[in-house]
Amino acid sequence: KQEVTQIPAALSVPEGENLVLNCSFTDSAIYNLQWFRQDPGKGLTSLLLIQSSQREQTSGRLNASLDKSSGRSTLYIAASQPGDSATYLCAVSGNQFYFGTGTSLTVIP
Amino acid sequence: NAGVTQTPKFRVLKTGQSMTLLCAQDMNHEYMYWYRQDPGMGLRLIHYSVGEGTTAKGEVPDGYNVSRLKKQNFLLGLESAAPSQTSVYFCASSYSGRETDTQYFGPGTRLTVL
Repeated sequence: KQEVTQIPAALSVPEGENLVLNCSFTDSAIYNLQWFRQDPGKGLTSLLLIQSSQREQTSGRLNASLDKSSGRSTLYIAASQPGDSATYLCAVSGNQFYFGTGTSLTVIP
Repeated sequence: NAGVTQTPKFRVLKTGQSMTLLCAQDMNHEYMYWYRQDPGMGLRLIHYSVGEGTTAKGEVPDGYNVSRLKKQNFLLGLESAAPSQTSVYFCASSYSGRETDTQYFGPGTRLTVL
């Protein structure tokens, strides 16, 4: 069974700082890896999707990398803003979808 | 274009009662999914459907049933609710199951079983 782990569980940074969120998974037989954002009391919004054949994807201030062989992905957020405060989840797609428990990010003005 | 909608947003049940959660999508997606989200456990897949008239079990299917009679709707049923089913339920949809496809999520239904 696929296990997805996200470290740290919570992170607090001052505005403007660059930061990295980590995601690891145990089974490298995946179709893709996605990063989602979840605001309190809301659903999930897809941020980036990396196909299994890709190494990274970028969208604005966000950059996600994928290393299938080591079972790791990172989400890099540049020049963080208070509006980035949310929970960030990664999910891997294989025979089913498996989610990590998320990293709760607080960006302090 | 409403995306993925869920009805109801909140519900309180007593143990043993039944209810149905409705998910609707207007994006003509083939695949639909039901997840539950519990503190410290992330989202777990309950059931999913790869097209109208099809359903399949996910990671935690026990105590739930689903139906996909119309392509745009995916229903999740609890026949006899238990306190362990207190959770936030999310519905999602995707165009297909290909590796290029992302999932679109509804806003969630918060269910409490007393």
